[in-house]
Amino acid sequence: QSALTQPPSASGSPGQSVTISCTGTSSDVGGYNSVSWYQQHSGKAPKLMIYEVSKRPSGVPDRFSGSKSGNTASLTVSGLQAEDEADYYCSSYAGSNNVVFGGGTKLTVL
Amino acid sequence: QMQLQESGPGLVKPSETLSLTCTVSGDSISSYYWSWIRQPPGKGLEWIGYIYFSGATNYNPSLKSRVTISRDTSKNQFSLKLSSVTAADTAVYYCARGGSAWSLDYWGQGTLVPVSS
Repeated sequence: QSALTQPPSASGSPGQSVTISCTGTSSDVGGYNSVSWYQQHSGKAPKLMIYEVSKRPSGVPDRFSGSKSGNTASLTVSGLQAEDEADYYCSSYAGSNNVVFGGGTKLTVL
Repeated sequence: QMQLQESGPGLVKPSETLSLTCTVSGDSISSYYWSWIRQPPGKGLEWIGYIYFSGATNYNPSLKSRVTISRDTSKNQFSLKLSSVTAADTAVYYCARGGSAWSLDYWGQGTLVPVSS
């Protein structure tokens, strides 16, 4: 299984929206509605932000939303805030009880 | 309140076995499934494997020959053993709880394990 493909970096100004993509194959992202997104601030553990493609855990602001089209999933952060600056990772079920992560995207709030 | 805490030796020598334990509070490891994930310094996340509420396990194919995940339900702990380590196994190791649809909803703070002689 290969890692999912994410852009290394993304950026936006406060108040703007930014979208991060996560591209896989029909054997992972495209084959299951089991895409998750994690936020990781520097030196901290990852935090679950989105699961099952578009669901938000309790306490995650509705500025964070997820979607999927074909083999590509996306995380959109609307109304960017300084505290959103972090690394973001996608993951997907990849069949045979395996999970694969993306390489991560560093989001910068300008 | 759900909490996970990793513990283990702070340094492992090449060719030896890395051993870590995750202590869970606020939930029983006989429910849900529980995972190990690692992150080499400056790099991305890598899933290592799961142990299910039944005790069954599943591992990343790239690590399968070297990994064992086990549990002690009496202590509410689960453990990771990674054999024949090299410098490439230097990473922050996290334990986490498996949530809906293969997500990981609660994470430990992580522990850095250097592999060095």
